[in-house]
Amino acid sequence: AQSVTQLDSHVSVSEGTPVLLRCNYSSSYSPSLFWYVQHPNKGLQLLLKYTSAATLVKGINGFEAEFKKSETSFHLTKPSAHMSDAAEYFCVVSGKTSYDKVIFGPGTSLSVIP
Amino acid sequence: NAGVTQTPKFQVLKTGQSMTLQCAQDMNHNSMYWYRQDPGMGLRLIYYSASEGTTDKGEVPNGYNVSRLNKREFSLRLESAAPSQTSVYFCASSNQLSYNSPLHFGNGTRLTVT
Repeated sequence: AQSVTQLDSHVSVSEGTPVLLRCNYSSSYSPSLFWYVQHPNKGLQLLLKYTSAATLVKGINGFEAEFKKSETSFHLTKPSAHMSDAAEYFCVVSGKTSYDKVIFGPGTSLSVIP
Repeated sequence: NAGVTQTPKFQVLKTGQSMTLQCAQDMNHNSMYWYRQDPGMGLRLIYYSASEGTTDKGEVPNGYNVSRLNKREFSLRLESAAPSQTSVYFCASSNQLSYNSPLHFGNGTRLTVT
């Protein structure tokens, strides 16, 4: 069985400071992992994905995430937050075969303070 | 460059009424999905269609039906709406039914059932 935990329901940072959004997963085999972003009143947009290639994955808008198998983590980071980064972020774990095994985390709401 | 288009954007129904949510994609994707989003619960899969002519139940199918009208269109029907179906509904598509294929989302339909 697969599961995903986002350790913070809400994160608040000042503009220009680093962002860290935490995600831990559970999977009986090597998973695929994704981060999606949702801006207010919009659909979700893919930020980045890990599919067993390089463990450090770079995404759009300066975000990156590192897959750490020993810690079963896939934390999302950005060196310097912008106001436009304020949004909801979802960590997603995916199965190997059937797409109905895609599991969304509950989301982390990121606020950026000017 | 429309991507995934959902209609309507907002809808208010009374208990027992029926309605159909429409979704169309112009990316020539094979697979399409319907999700619902509720606060603190992430996204939950209602139904999906791996390819034209096929549909399958997801995590929360009760009270819903779907139709894959053609490769582009995938509709979701509520036959007798209930207050528990108040939610934001997202349609998504992907190139293939695979763990490696990210989802492309529409902007959502906000449904309130009174």
